[in-house]
Amino acid sequence: SSELTQDPAVSVALGQTVRITCQGDTLRSYYASWYQRKPGQAPVLVIYGKNNRPSGIPDRFSGSSSGNTASLTITGAQAEDEADYYCYSRDSSGYHHYVFATGTKVTVL
Amino acid sequence: QLQLQESGPGLVKPSETLSLTCTVSGDSISSSGFYWGWIRQPPGKGLEWIGSIYWSGSAYYNPSLKSRVTISVDTSKNQFSLKLSSVTAADTAVYYCARHAYDSSGYWFDPWGQGTLVTVSS
Repeated sequence: SSELTQDPAVSVALGQTVRITCQGDTLRSYYASWYQRKPGQAPVLVIYGKNNRPSGIPDRFSGSSSGNTASLTITGAQAEDEADYYCYSRDSSGYHHYVFATGTKVTVL
Repeated sequence: QLQLQESGPGLVKPSETLSLTCTVSGDSISSSGFYWGWIRQPPGKGLEWIGSIYWSGSAYYNPSLKSRVTISVDTSKNQFSLKLSSVTAADTAVYYCARHAYDSSGYWFDPWGQGTLVTVSS
């Protein structure tokens, strides 16, 4: 099966921009989806497909992809964006196998 | 509004079988174009896909758990269920159910249930 990797942690100043990356061979075949998880809460989908935001997700969240790397960008980070972020995709093995990345802890300073 | 709710025992003994049910409300589980999935998160660790099932019963499992996992669907009750056998302390986690959507570009889970903590302990 494929693996997806993320940096363990990143910090961003309030109001600044932060990019979270996710790497894996499977991302050459499939777009990643991205999830925000705050302590004690269920994960929330923030980006899916090429760059789609579900209803209710602020437009400061955006997604992009190039080669084997998918990125989630928060433009103008807010205090409430402090959370763990996970990317997710289908395994490129050809089977219906799916994988989450290791997650990135985003701290808003 | 589509909602999912997990239910089941919060404590399971080692070597026994963990059983959880996800009740779907606000839409039919037989809606075409969607799978229904289980995900878990052990304390202090990341998310792990357990498996997904289509309303017809076609199921796909994480290879690392496949020998112990069974996911089933009951369209008459608008529910799908998870069974994980021979559990150990390593299976202690918050278990989530979610709708597993897809199109030609990728796959995603939305919405999620609130999650239920299952502890494996004697």
